[in-house]
Amino acid sequence: EDQVTQSPEALRLQEGESSSLNCSYTVSGLRGLFWYRQDPGKGPEFLFTLYSAGEEKEKERLKATLTKKESFLHITAPKPEDSATYLCAVQGESSGTYKYIFGTGTRLKVLA
Amino acid sequence: NAGVTQTPKFQVLKTGQSMTLQCAQDMNHEYMSWYRQDPGMGLRLIHYSVGAGITDQGEVPNGYNVSRSTTEDFPLRLLSAAPSQTSVYFCASAADWAQPQHFGDGTRLSIL
Repeated sequence: EDQVTQSPEALRLQEGESSSLNCSYTVSGLRGLFWYRQDPGKGPEFLFTLYSAGEEKEKERLKATLTKKESFLHITAPKPEDSATYLCAVQGESSGTYKYIFGTGTRLKVLA
Repeated sequence: NAGVTQTPKFQVLKTGQSMTLQCAQDMNHEYMSWYRQDPGMGLRLIHYSVGAGITDQGEVPNGYNVSRSTTEDFPLRLLSAAPSQTSVYFCASAADWAQPQHFGDGTRLSIL
């Protein structure tokens, strides 16, 4: 069964304190892994798509990486405005072509 | 640039009542989907559509109906509301199944 597990559930960082969020997945044939950011009271906002192991994407202070079993979202020198819930989703062959499976997210709080 | 628009933003229903959650997108996207988000559960797919006239069930379809008569609109109907359907509902669209999804800001639904 396809599964996505995110860790930690919650993370508190001081401004400037770099860290990484983890997304572990089990899927028979990965078609794509997606990272989203969700602010309170809002819908998820797309950040990155990764398609194959070894791929990396960067955007400002965020960098996403992918291996065959997990993805990391690295946050370098975070600022308070980076506080949000970060969601990971996968699309796999066994889950059906059109279906996404989301993790439960990591709630990030960056303190000034 | 409206993107994905969901109405209403908030709704309170009594058990047994029916209602329709509206979703409209102005990006000419073929793929649209409905999710519910509950604490500790992550986003779970209810129904999805890969084009006008084509819909299919997701992970948690019971108690919900959808139709897709136009590319722009994808309403979600609750036939007989139950307290277990209290949740935040998100609609999303994408250019096709492999592309990142664009989410609306959600409908917060309470069933008493």
